[in-house]
Amino acid sequence: DQQVKQNSPSLSVQEGRISILNCDYTNSMFDYFLWYKKYPAEGPTFLISISSIKDKNEDGRFTVFLNKSAKHLSLHIVPSQPGDSAVYFCAATKGSQGNLIFGKGTKLSVKP
Amino acid sequence: GAGVSQSPSNKVTEKGKDVELRCDPISGHTALYWYRQSLGQGLEFLIYFQGNSAPDKSGLPSDRFSAERTGGSVSTLTIQRTQQEDSAVYLCASSLLAQQETQYFGPGTRLLVL
Repeated sequence: DQQVKQNSPSLSVQEGRISILNCDYTNSMFDYFLWYKKYPAEGPTFLISISSIKDKNEDGRFTVFLNKSAKHLSLHIVPSQPGDSAVYFCAATKGSQGNLIFGKGTKLSVKP
Repeated sequence: GAGVSQSPSNKVTEKGKDVELRCDPISGHTALYWYRQSLGQGLEFLIYFQGNSAPDKSGLPSDRFSAERTGGSVSTLTIQRTQQEDSAVYLCASSLLAQQETQYFGPGTRLLVL
């Protein structure tokens, strides 16, 4: 049973536009969420995180929104750049737990 | 400073052989994690170490998998009697502490079992 779901395997966006990547989770005990970016043949790179006490966290072009009632979070990238083309993973954890639970990823392609 | 490093970067082995994968975490990080990513899948948790506490082995898929962490630093993941389904990218991560801490990943070891 997948606790973290990324239902879109791929997303294509024009350079300069907004990219919106979505993630749903089923475990209401999760209280910390992260987004990672992964290029081929490299390990995942941390992008941005959010605690369940917040509903928004912003870092430059990246903003993560958390809707606890819907058990949904999203990552907004604006403006999108070709260098943002990668696979994006959503991950979640809960206070007493150390390991992260990952979604299957969404492959973002930003076209010039 | 140096990030998480892993070796080897690639490993090809024959079914039934044992393999050892190594991880050097970021200096000073007390928590170390192993994950694996099979083709088309997300990252699957295997095991994590936090300081001197007993490791959380709840993600290990079978008793052919084991890991140790010597001196609170370097970790080795051992897979005995490898099977073709063990083929995956094995990723190591470390964090300053555990629980709600950002985990920093190494480049991974690509294991292919023939």
